[in-house]
Amino acid sequence: AQKVTQAQTEISVVEKEDVTLDCVYETRDTTYYLFWYKQPPSGELVFLIRRNSFDEQNEISGRYSWNFQKSTSSFNFTITASQVVDSAVYFCALSEAIGYGNKLVFGAGTILRVKS
Amino acid sequence: DAGVTQSPTHLIKTRGQHVTLRCSPISGHKSVSWYQQVLGQGPQFIFQYYEKEERGRGNFPDRFSARQFPNYSSELNVNALLLGDSALYLCASSPRGQGTYEQYFGPGTRLTVT
Repeated sequence: AQKVTQAQTEISVVEKEDVTLDCVYETRDTTYYLFWYKQPPSGELVFLIRRNSFDEQNEISGRYSWNFQKSTSSFNFTITASQVVDSAVYFCALSEAIGYGNKLVFGAGTILRVKS
Repeated sequence: DAGVTQSPTHLIKTRGQHVTLRCSPISGHKSVSWYQQVLGQGPQFIFQYYEKEERGRGNFPDRFSARQFPNYSSELNVNALLLGDSALYLCASSPRGQGTYEQYFGPGTRLTVT
């Protein structure tokens, strides 16, 4: 079965620091998709990015960047110049076929606290 | 456009009771999935529905059931509630049932079982 490991339970940084959230996954599929979601205190999961296994190019979106390395089965997420509003729980997820559909397998999440 | 909506926001039930949670997907989305998120953990998959048919089921007991209606909205039903069913129940919609399109989540229903 697929597995996602987010080894960092909680990270605390001071505003404007850069922070990297680690994600390591296990899958036997040759084609798969990886995701990052943000969960602020309100509880709603906010979609950040989807990456397929054939695209190993790094992606940057504003202060967010993602580093996908198939060789190490990692899909790390970096926030540059962190802000207090970045404080949330961040989840990495991996797609898995189930029945005739698909599900997301989530890691345990990393709590990010950004202090002013 | 409106996002995924869920009702109710919060719910308190007693052990042994039954509960129905509701979800309306994003307009145009035909797939709805349900996840359970226990405090301090990542969401766990319960069901996926596409075009009113069950496409996948997670490792949850038969006390959990769901259905999808012709307008693509969905209900999650849980019978004989246990204390361990206390969690945030998240609904997610996506445009397709096949493939791995991103899933957009609603705000969730927080269920407390006493």
